[in-house]
Amino acid sequence: ETGVTQTPRHLVMGMTNKKSLKCEQHLGHNAMYWYKQSAKKPLELMFVYNFKEQTENNSVPSRFSPECPNSSHLFLHLHTLQPEDSALYLCASSQVSRLAGELFFGEGSRLTVL
Amino acid sequence: DAKTTQPTSMDCAEGRAANLPCNHSTISGNEYVYWYRQIHSQGPQYIIHGLKNNETNEMASLIITEDRKSSTLILPHATLRDTAVYYCIASYHGSGNTGKLIFGQGTTLQVKP
Repeated sequence: ETGVTQTPRHLVMGMTNKKSLKCEQHLGHNAMYWYKQSAKKPLELMFVYNFKEQTENNSVPSRFSPECPNSSHLFLHLHTLQPEDSALYLCASSQVSRLAGELFFGEGSRLTVL
Repeated sequence: DAKTTQPTSMDCAEGRAANLPCNHSTISGNEYVYWYRQIHSQGPQYIIHGLKNNETNEMASLIITEDRKSSTLILPHATLRDTAVYYCIASYHGSGNTGKLIFGQGTTLQVKP
């Protein structure tokens, strides 16, 4: 238990569906992240939020839309995805005022796009 | 962030020390060395970090060379549960920064009975 909870753990969706991934952290952190891990590839940083403000968008296609309503919650809204978007999506959090490189990851949401 | 180079895979006998090397020859003076591991189908887990000095915690030890161009993560008594992909990351994270860590391919450590 890392203090970062992701739901759902597994999601199957068609290319025309709209779905959302949710992340919640119970650690009092103020930075949150989305990473993508495709099969046999390294983790790719997607988005970074610092005190609810987006500070990094790593050239992510617009079919992925993040939302950070507060420092404890992070969403990734998905629409018109492609089969190559199938991957493990990982959420993480950190405390900016402490060791920012100590990220706490959730278990991930495994997404399959048909 | 400085690029790191790690062996693709390593084996270790259960109960023995696992020594995982990492090269970061272009590391700058204000970049930390972080180690994470990822057990199959789980999120990565922070292990340890260092700047200049050797570090030890309940999970592992980190040995950084004097010129800071390489480091070694040591798991003193490897168990089967230590089988995972280990990532070495060099990155600057001063106070007030976010942890924008860039992960490479890492080293797959297989601990064998």
